[in-house]
Amino acid sequence: EDQVTQSPEALRLQEGESSSLNCSYTVSGLRGLFWYRQDPGKGPEFLFTLYSAGEEKEKERLKATLTKKESFLHITAPKPEDSATYLCAVQEYSGYALNFGKGTSLLVTP
Amino acid sequence: GAGVSQSPSNKVTEKGKDVELRCDPISGHTALYWYRQSLGQGLEFLIYFQGNSAPDKSGLPSDRFSAERTGGSVSTLTIQRTQQEDSAVYLCASSAKTGLYEQYFGPGTRLTVT
Repeated sequence: EDQVTQSPEALRLQEGESSSLNCSYTVSGLRGLFWYRQDPGKGPEFLFTLYSAGEEKEKERLKATLTKKESFLHITAPKPEDSATYLCAVQEYSGYALNFGKGTSLLVTP
Repeated sequence: GAGVSQSPSNKVTEKGKDVELRCDPISGHTALYWYRQSLGQGLEFLIYFQGNSAPDKSGLPSDRFSAERTGGSVSTLTIQRTQQEDSAVYLCASSAKTGLYEQYFGPGTRLTVT
């Protein structure tokens, strides 16, 4: 059973069309939830860490939020350069490895 | 400053051969992680090192996989007797410490076993 599930698998947006990506998780004790961006042929690029329910973080057009069961990555007025795969990962108190979801592939068209 | 570097960027090998993949973490980072990313799969944890402590090998898929970290810095992931299912992108990450510190990833090594 997957501990981290991301939806949708793929999302196509028009430039300027805001939307949200979802990451739902099932863990016994959440130390932190991480969002990464991955461009084709590159390693994941760190975006945010969220520690506790109710926390929010923002960076340019991106805002990440966290509840006890899921996290959202809100993209406001996206641009074509926001096209990438967005990965969510959780870290439990029982270890230090990141447990990743399979990602959401975002395409923003002009 | 310099990020995590990995070499080679691409490696093609024949089934049954051994391969070594190298990772240079960010200077000063004490924790180092190896992950694997296969087509259609998420990133899969393999192993991590923290300082001089014994590594956590719980993610290694078989005893053909091993890793070492010399001098608390450079790490080498070795895959013996490679199989076609080992084909994947192998990613290395480092963080300032273990625990709730963001992990910074290298560009990966794409391994193809023919």
